[in-house]
Amino acid sequence: AQSVTQLGSHVSVSEGALVLLRCNYSSSVPPYLFWYVQYPNQGLQLLLKYTTGATLVKGINGFEAEFKKSETSFHLTKPSAHMSDAAEYFCAVSDTGRRALTFGSGTRLQVQP
Amino acid sequence: NAGVTQTPKFQVLKTGQSMTLQCAQDMNHNSMYWYRQDPGMGLRLIYYSASEGTTDKGEVPNGYNVSRLNKREFSLRLESAAPSQTSVYFCASSEGGRDTQYFGPGTRLTVL
Repeated sequence: AQSVTQLGSHVSVSEGALVLLRCNYSSSVPPYLFWYVQYPNQGLQLLLKYTTGATLVKGINGFEAEFKKSETSFHLTKPSAHMSDAAEYFCAVSDTGRRALTFGSGTRLQVQP
Repeated sequence: NAGVTQTPKFQVLKTGQSMTLQCAQDMNHNSMYWYRQDPGMGLRLIYYSASEGTTDKGEVPNGYNVSRLNKREFSLRLESAAPSQTSVYFCASSEGGRDTQYFGPGTRLTVL
């Protein structure tokens, strides 16, 4: 069975600081991995995804994530936080044999001025 | 393209009432999904439809039914609403099960 663990339900950073949101997964086969962002009162939008190939994936709004198979991790980073990055972020995994994604419980990012 | 649309945006029900949440997508996707979102629990899959004419249970199907009316539309029905079904409901669609899912704006449901 696949599962996703997001460490830290709330993360607070200062504007201009590094953003690091953690995601670990379990999967019996090579996974597809996703990060989604949810702004208040909106649906989820795709930030980036990993399927195969290059392990460093770049997404929208300056975010990137690195797939580390040995650590079963897919952490999301951004070098310099902006106030507009304040939102909730969800990591998700999909493996073969399933027809849907499994989502983590989410991390709410707060950006302090 | 409108993407994924959901109606209604808000709904208040009394315990025992029934209602249907509507979802439509205009991206010609094969797969469609219904999730519920509760604080601290992320998104939990209620039902999904891998293709027109098929539906399957997800993680939390009890108390819900679905209909894949055609390739575009996937509805979620609450036959007898309970306070535990107070939640935000999201519909999503994708080309296939492992592909990027595109989400609707959500329906905020309160059951009194």
